[in-house]
Amino acid sequence: EVQLVESGGALVQPGGSLRLSCAASGFIFSSYSMNWVRQAPKKGLEWVSYISASSGIVHHAESVKGRFTISRDNAKNSLYLQMNHLRDEDTAVYYCARDILGRGDGFEIWGQGTMVTVSS
Amino acid sequence: QSVLTQPPSMSAAPGQKVTISCSGSTSNIGKNYVSWYQQLPGTAPKLLIYDNNKRPSGIPDRFSGSKSDTSATLGITGLQTGDEADYYCGTWDSSLNSGVFGGGTKLTVL
Repeated sequence: EVQLVESGGALVQPGGSLRLSCAASGFIFSSYSMNWVRQAPKKGLEWVSYISASSGIVHHAESVKGRFTISRDNAKNSLYLQMNHLRDEDTAVYYCARDILGRGDGFEIWGQGTMVTVSS
Repeated sequence: QSVLTQPPSMSAAPGQKVTISCSGSTSNIGKNYVSWYQQLPGTAPKLLIYDNNKRPSGIPDRFSGSKSDTSATLGITGLQTGDEADYYCGTWDSSLNSGVFGGGTKLTVL
């Protein structure tokens, strides 16, 4: 079964750091581009980051540029999001999502999400 | 403020047809492919349409997508109560170099 499972969400103080992980199974992880998408409470979807299959291309939303870093370990079938200098507005459910055609415009497989709460 | 513009809410009766619009610009919808997602309460989004009008395996043909210039449309025919959900359009923005979504449309089937 094709599956993505996020972990690492927690309550963290403003200015703190957190590392999210996404474990992939049931498909050849190294063949697919991946993304992080977040959703603040009662709000819409917000794309966060994209990484190509080989990690050669990385993009981040302007709202997280310089603070968040997407990475992957194809040997471990895992995707990561390192989040530094966290702000209240980063509070959201974070989803990892497999890219259907590698262009960052279609997310065909989603994890269940992991909650990040930034609050003092 | 979302880059793509969708109506916040729509409603229709069971069995009817609804079309949800998504308006963008030349740097996003005008240049790239559009996808559509359905999000049922408390669940992760689900891909309904990609490449403007393609359906992933398992998505019924009651769902359709189209694109014209800088706008896209999701059509749902034969509405069912189970179609009550939030619907989002998404694409890539070549100027921002980022993925972008619409603000979402809450569909009520009454």
